[in-house]
Amino acid sequence: DTGVSQNPRHKITKRGQNVTFRCDPISEHNRLYWYRQTLGQGPEFLTYFQNEAQLEKSRLLSDRFSAERPKGSFSTLEIQRTEQGDSAMYLCASKGYETQYFGPGTRLLVL
Amino acid sequence: GENVGLHLPTLSVQEGDNSIINCAYSNSASDYFIWYKQESGKGPQFIIDIRSNMDKRQGQRVTVLLNKTVKHLSLQIAATQPGDSAVYFCAENWAETSYDKVIFGPGTSLSVIP
Repeated sequence: DTGVSQNPRHKITKRGQNVTFRCDPISEHNRLYWYRQTLGQGPEFLTYFQNEAQLEKSRLLSDRFSAERPKGSFSTLEIQRTEQGDSAMYLCASKGYETQYFGPGTRLLVL
Repeated sequence: GENVGLHLPTLSVQEGDNSIINCAYSNSASDYFIWYKQESGKGPQFIIDIRSNMDKRQGQRVTVLLNKTVKHLSLQIAATQPGDSAVYFCAENWAETSYDKVIFGPGTSLSVIP
C-alpha cells in the first residue's frame, strides 16, 4: 500500500493523559499536513511540514499540542494533558505536486 | 473572510439518477479546487480537482464545474450508485499564503436510495 498511513486508528484515553499519533506519508511527498475533524465538520488545518521543517501552525494548535517530523519522512502529533474537547478525528495528509492525499485518520476519544 | 460553504447539507437521490452537489467559495484568490469523498470512519478520498483557468473537468462518472463569476463549484455524479453514499467536501486552495492553504467546506451528505 503506497498511500498515507496513520497509527493507531483508534485511541481511547483518560483526561490528563498524553497521547501520540504517527503518520507515514506517501514516500515521495515532501509536504505533510495535520488536520483535526469533528463530527459533521470539514477537516481543520493544524500544522504543516515541508521536509523536516514545521512551517505553519494554526491557532487551534495549543501549547499542549506538538508535532515533529525529524527526518522529513514520518511525523508524530503529541497531545499532552488531554481534555475531553480534544476528542476528534486527527487526519494526516501528504502532498507531492498539487493534491493532498489523506490517511485514514486516528479517532481519539478522551474520557 | 475565508469561507467555503455548501448550499445543501444533505442530499438524497434514487439509485441510477444523477447527483449534483454545490459549493460556494468566497476567496477570489483561490486557484485550485478539490472535491473529496469521505465515508464513515475513513479519511477524505480525492475525487477530482480543477484549476481556476478551467470551467469544467470530467472524470469517471464525475464532473466538476467551476463558475468563477459567481464563485460557485459543483460536483456532478452520473448514475449514482449506493457506494457513492458519503459526505462530500469541496476544498479551495490558494498559493499566496506561506503553505498553500486548503480550506474545507462543511460537507454535504449524499444518501443513495436503492
